[in-house]
Amino acid sequence: DGGITQSPKYLFRKEGQNVTLSCEQNLNHDAMYWYRQDPGQGLRLIYYSQIVNDFQKGDIAEGYSVSREKKESFPLTVTSAQKNPTAFYLCASSTYSGGYTFGSGTRLTVV
Amino acid sequence: KNEVEQSPQNLTAQEGEFITINCSYSVGISALHWLQQHPGGGIVSLFMLSSGKKKHGRLIATINIQEKHSSLHITASHPRDSAVYICAGYGGATNKLIFGTGTLLAVQP
Repeated sequence: DGGITQSPKYLFRKEGQNVTLSCEQNLNHDAMYWYRQDPGQGLRLIYYSQIVNDFQKGDIAEGYSVSREKKESFPLTVTSAQKNPTAFYLCASSTYSGGYTFGSGTRLTVV
Repeated sequence: KNEVEQSPQNLTAQEGEFITINCSYSVGISALHWLQQHPGGGIVSLFMLSSGKKKHGRLIATINIQEKHSSLHITASHPRDSAVYICAGYGGATNKLIFGTGTLLAVQP
């Protein structure tokens, strides 16, 4: 079955370290997204990519970086510049008609 | 001001009750998604609708384009329906979703 795979499910990071969250999809979707979820808030868009080798900043891109070298993969790096990285991170992909599929998320904790 | 507003924020129901969650959205949103998120889990897309009504099992979603309002109904609610339900507006020009803050539903046996 097609879907989105996010890994790892839980991730612990020491302060000052960069970490990379994986997102892979086998849905043949062109568009992919990274969202951040904090308690009591709606999901906020970090970065999105509508085509391979191209990506755009979302609403809260500072302290994050992405790449889109393959259609199937859209990894997110949380850099040491992100002041408050502890959160739940969700990856999604979509068709051009707006049908979305979400991953199961990665919970990142800074220790 | 968020372009997608949900109500209520929290909802507690007894098993078997009929449940309604409401969502209002602003101009420029061409379709509405209803999403479900279980505690600690990822998000599942329940419905995407731009007009009329859709039904899947005990779940029904309706949308009124003129009033810019959508509702999610759960019939014969069950404790396994306990989750956060999120309304998200799809802004067609940018292919991006705008999320409501979610409704936390607890169905008690």
